[in-house]
Amino acid sequence: DTTVKQNPRYKLARVGKPVNLICSQTMNHDTMYWYQKKPNQAPKLLLFYYDKILNREADTFEKFQSSRPNNSFCSLYIGSAGLEYSAMYLCASSREIQNERLFFGHGTKLSVL
Amino acid sequence: GDSVTQTEGQVALSEEDFLTIHCNYSASGYPALFWYVQYPGEGPQFLFRASRDKEKGSSRGFEATYDKGTTSFHLRKASVQESDSAVYYCALGDWGRALIFGTGTTVSVSP
Repeated sequence: DTTVKQNPRYKLARVGKPVNLICSQTMNHDTMYWYQKKPNQAPKLLLFYYDKILNREADTFEKFQSSRPNNSFCSLYIGSAGLEYSAMYLCASSREIQNERLFFGHGTKLSVL
Repeated sequence: GDSVTQTEGQVALSEEDFLTIHCNYSASGYPALFWYVQYPGEGPQFLFRASRDKEKGSSRGFEATYDKGTTSFHLRKASVQESDSAVYYCALGDWGRALIFGTGTTVSVSP
């Protein structure tokens, strides 16, 4: 089974409210990632977990949090959503970090109003 | 920092046309290069990878050759079908770092 699942598929949030997105994988992969995709832009890496170690990108460090309670699950948390958070959020997993193919979920489209 | 540039934002073709999508990269190390494809309503899917200079990656009739001299990894397919309509992403991966993607190229193939 090479599936990465994301819930929900669509999410509507109000400005200033928290948002929590969920991702799961059944491949026993050590690494899980969150990318943000906006129209006409490249998927942007937000953070990734290698095992239990969280790595966050410098320019999004304070905007996103994450947790990985076990190997299969990973969440992305926004404490206070702003209009600029409206985007597609893609979760992915891989065995290792370097040079490995990523397996993506179908994404969660977040709309902040 | 490392980056990937895809020249074409959108490409419109007819079935059996030849497809080329240009991908150039900038990296401080010796990265692996990837192509991913994303169909509507789905996440990006791995197409193929090349890890060293002159290596050719291929899958489903698509191919690209790693060219360290021109820092390129152009995607080609000799005869496209309507089912090839999708967004194609070039990406690079370097030691200990997550993949960096290009902005993507939307390919539309009409019958």
